[in-house]
Amino acid sequence: DGGITQSPKYLFRKEGQNVTLSCEQNLNHDAMYWYRQDPGQGLRLIYYSQIVNDFQKGDIAEGYSVSREKKESFPLTVTSAQKNPTAFYLCASSAQGQGRGQPQHFGDGTRLSIL
Amino acid sequence: DQQVKQNSPSLSVQEGRISILNCDYTNSMFDYFLWYKKYPAEGPTFLISISSIKDKNEDGRFTVFLNKSAKHLSLHIVPSQPGDSAVYFCAASAWTGNQFYFGTGTSLTVIP
Repeated sequence: DGGITQSPKYLFRKEGQNVTLSCEQNLNHDAMYWYRQDPGQGLRLIYYSQIVNDFQKGDIAEGYSVSREKKESFPLTVTSAQKNPTAFYLCASSAQGQGRGQPQHFGDGTRLSIL
Repeated sequence: DQQVKQNSPSLSVQEGRISILNCDYTNSMFDYFLWYKKYPAEGPTFLISISSIKDKNEDGRFTVFLNKSAKHLSLHIVPSQPGDSAVYFCAASAWTGNQFYFGTGTSLTVIP
């Protein structure tokens, strides 16, 4: 049963710590994305990757880092440089790049909170 | 700079009636539009899409209308069912671009 798995579902971070959010997909999709959702706002793009070993910044990349060493995995690290990390994070994938007429498939998200 | 706007944060509709969710966009380069449905504590799921070469696309109870001159799209759900209660996001992209832009969502409540 294909899909996108995000873990953990809830994550707590102390001030000054880096944390890594996991995203794995078994849909054989080339493209993967990370979004952030805040209350009353739409989904905002943090990073995206259209191919292994390559990724691009989205609108709000500051304070975040990613890697794409494998096609099925796209972990997101929230660094201590991200001043307001509390949010709901969504990972998505698509068969082609976003602007190519293919819908995205989303994971169930990770809610990150600061202790 | 919100390029995709959903100006109604919430909508309540009686079961069996029509639900109409609206979305406006500002970028004339957008040519592909989607609607997603989201339940609490879950990721959005793709519902229906439309490209700019069409002005209507139907899938069962769901129909999306696109008015390019007004830069407006709408999602019609007929008849509405209690299971349709969720947050609906519209999204848009340009063929030449690499990202989708999402609206802020409309929370639909279908009253039994």
